[in-house]
Amino acid sequence: GAGVSQSPRYKVAKRGQDVALRCDPISGHVSLFWYQQALGQGPEFLTYFQNEAQLDKSGLPSDRFFAERPEGSVSTLKIQRTQQEDSAVYLCASSSGGRGPRSSYEQYFGPGTRLTVT
Amino acid sequence: AQSVAQPEDQVNVAEGNPLTVKCTYSVSGNPYLFWYVQYPNRGLQFLLKYITGDNLVKGSYGFEAEFNKSQTSFHLKKPSALVSDSALYFCAVRDMGYNNNDMRFGAGTRLTVKP
Repeated sequence: GAGVSQSPRYKVAKRGQDVALRCDPISGHVSLFWYQQALGQGPEFLTYFQNEAQLDKSGLPSDRFFAERPEGSVSTLKIQRTQQEDSAVYLCASSSGGRGPRSSYEQYFGPGTRLTVT
Repeated sequence: AQSVAQPEDQVNVAEGNPLTVKCTYSVSGNPYLFWYVQYPNRGLQFLLKYITGDNLVKGSYGFEAEFNKSQTSFHLKKPSALVSDSALYFCAVRDMGYNNNDMRFGAGTRLTVKP
């Protein structure tokens, strides 16, 4: 389809396991964002890519979280040694604009990956 | 840093009545303001945005929002609610600062439209 896709849609991990969440943005979109949405809360910014460059990772909650976008399209969010507090929906979004004035461009969101850490 | 407040967790309206979902914001500079809607098990869908220009912004599905700089508000409105409008609504703000990639979302307001 033409939208943002994410996989898997649901992931159950035992505490201490590593997980990898995938995002396929809209083709041609320069910017890619990862958000974490806890139950009953709005999305919280994790990190931002412009093409393959990770320009902002200020929202990553700990060094267990790592994101990459090596070819400027698909992105992977990796969480090492998962903890129960990592349980949330992880949302990926893309937009056609980059930095500066074009940052007004709206973001298009994927359906999210619901991570449950037991 | 920017922030957004949605003062109502829940809004209930009858079908056919007008609806308002409230949003106030705080930024150091000028804001970009957005409304998104989230249906169960689906991602956020863009409704409308304010960047500059006319304070009344029209968006998808008959929704509109009014930017009020003096009250730092960006309330979402619709003249006649539909049952299918029932969903979770998020307001978001982004500071127009050049190096700012951080879009802040409110906690969300659950809209329920009753037949």
